[in-house]
Amino acid sequence: NAGVTQTPKFQVLKTGQSMTLQCAQDMNHNSMYWYRQDPGMGLRLIYYSASEGTTDKGEVPNGYNVSRLNKREFSLRLESAAPSQTSVYFCASRNRDGETQYFGPGTRLLVL
Amino acid sequence: DAKTTQPPSMDCAEGRAANLPCNHSTISGNEYVYWYRQIHSQGPQYIIHGLKNNETNEMASLIITEDRKSSTLILPHATLRDTAVYYCIVRGRNTGGFKTIFGAGTRLFVKA
Repeated sequence: NAGVTQTPKFQVLKTGQSMTLQCAQDMNHNSMYWYRQDPGMGLRLIYYSASEGTTDKGEVPNGYNVSRLNKREFSLRLESAAPSQTSVYFCASRNRDGETQYFGPGTRLLVL
Repeated sequence: DAKTTQPPSMDCAEGRAANLPCNHSTISGNEYVYWYRQIHSQGPQYIIHGLKNNETNEMASLIITEDRKSSTLILPHATLRDTAVYYCIVRGRNTGGFKTIFGAGTRLFVKA
């Protein structure tokens, strides 16, 4: 039982490049989340998926797209990376509303 | 979801109790108080949650005031490894409360 896994762990992009951050959970959880965390700041919700087949915007969705591929996987795509998207990205999952969220180890992204 | 207010930072001596306050004056009747912590560079970790009764587990105790407008997380015997950012979150338990918003949290420094 690996919990929540994220790939890659680190990534450097040039402005304008695209990439997809992968997240998978093996706990059979219904809802999944993507957050970003800038240095010295709290987490900000980008997108979430309450259940397979649904996605919704969080606080800071601009510049991102998501796909809930199946119950296990929730990916985050940057179509045209900008330096302002330099951050640490955390994926999380939760089984039902009111239960604990479990977080992945994070993906550190640097956009030059 | 109700907003929370936490002090930006606190110090605590190793072996002493760390008491971390949180104000949530706009909390509604069906909203729970959750605490997470984030040790440097890692994903957030669940600590404890409660509705109106005080709660205790192997990590911490949660004291919620009778009017539920504030709460205190207590680490009974803080160690150096408890140095982290602690997030207080208020979140509804009913359907629709899927968004979890993290604020800036309290940075706890445990000193030897």
